[in-house]
Amino acid sequence: KNEVEQSPQNLTAQEGEFITINCSYSVGISALHWLQQHPGGGIVSLFMLSSGKKKHGRLIATINIQEKHSSLHITASHPRDSAVYICAVPGNQFYFGTGTSLTVIP
Amino acid sequence: KAGVTQTPRYLIKTRGQQVTLSCSPISGHRSVSWYQQTPGQGLQFLFEYFSETQRNKGNFPGRFSGRQFSNSRSEMNVSTLELGDSALYLCASSLAGTALWEQYFGPGTRLTVT
Repeated sequence: KNEVEQSPQNLTAQEGEFITINCSYSVGISALHWLQQHPGGGIVSLFMLSSGKKKHGRLIATINIQEKHSSLHITASHPRDSAVYICAVPGNQFYFGTGTSLTVIP
Repeated sequence: KAGVTQTPRYLIKTRGQQVTLSCSPISGHRSVSWYQQTPGQGLQFLFEYFSETQRNKGNFPGRFSGRQFSNSRSEMNVSTLELGDSALYLCASSLAGTALWEQYFGPGTRLTVT
């Protein structure tokens, strides 16, 4: 069993749709990271959160420490949001989910 | 502020050779972490250095090693290369570590082993 599970693995949405990506983890953590990777490999850190909710533009991340679950929401999705989204959990090493490949169609 | 830089960006090596990759963190960042990304295994943690000390290590064989210098620049070395070592190697820097600090990733080094 993976320490970090993400769902869905692939997601196709129409422009403007509300998107949710889920992440569940089994390792004990102090914070959870959401990362974005565009084709070509570059990775950008979107959020690091240890409790509650954070918002940045159209992106919202929430975490429930007791349930060991986090969600990433994208409101009013746009084709430029097309990327792979990865959750990552620090422990005695850094554990990654398998990623969610998002395609937003105009 | 300059971002994280990695050199070289692309590298082709032959089985059995060794390779050294370099990572220069953002100025002021003391932590550097290394990751391997392959289509089959996804992103995997290699190791983390903080103030020249290895703080955490992933589940990779001893052929993979690293070090960090006093200016926080880091290198990783892979000896006796295998075909399966072909991957994108990424480093990330942060102020003080992966646990509670935002990670800033470099563009990666694409290693191909033939």
